[in-house]
Amino acid sequence: EAGVVQSPRYKIIEKKQPVAFWCNPISGHNTLYWYRQNLGQGPELLIRYENEEAVDDSQLPKDRFSAERLKGVDSTLKIQPAELGDSAVYLCASSLDSGARVTDTQYFGPGTRLTVL
Amino acid sequence: AQKITQTQPGMFVQEKEAVTLDCTYDTSDPSYGLFWYKQPSSGEMIFLIYQGSYDQQNATEGRYSLNFQKARKSANLVISASQLGDSAMYFCAMSGTSGGGADGLTFGKGTHLIIQP
Repeated sequence: EAGVVQSPRYKIIEKKQPVAFWCNPISGHNTLYWYRQNLGQGPELLIRYENEEAVDDSQLPKDRFSAERLKGVDSTLKIQPAELGDSAVYLCASSLDSGARVTDTQYFGPGTRLTVL
Repeated sequence: AQKITQTQPGMFVQEKEAVTLDCTYDTSDPSYGLFWYKQPSSGEMIFLIYQGSYDQQNATEGRYSLNFQKARKSANLVISASQLGDSAMYFCAMSGTSGGGADGLTFGKGTHLIIQP
């Protein structure tokens, strides 16, 4: 079974440039998450999707970040314009909604390491 | 709000020895899940083990076991017979039915485990 796929793996851009990250979840997983992991820290949730609906985006900086999950499968996270402080690893995860979310195991992709110069 | 505390920033362990990674948590949720993930230098978060708050038995998965002490709010990971390939960052995380609006996992800062030959 294929895992969560993310691309690109690495991205280097200059500040004020736009950038986009792509995620393909595990087949059949209806819940998708985007996390940001700063250096030396654990991941922090940015947004959660159930199918194509963003059910929790309270942690997403909406002035420059946007996300979409068309057709409830692939997802794209965008930053425009990027700032120096956006340098981090952006992780995508997916889970199969069992109806009791506390037990749902999230499976992560390899992440995209973003460097903003 | 939920909180995960991992007090060991780094650990050195001899190969083949058992190792315990500490994790304490704080939550007001009656129902929650506790997870451990391994993050090698490649960056991917690898799911290791899960413990539900109502589970009576401690979870085990191969060489991994979770020492769950609910009254003390601790969920320590035990790795038996450590191997060189166990060298990585280890994160403790929890899920819950409430979390200030964030419905993903809450992670600790991680423990960097190094296995020495």
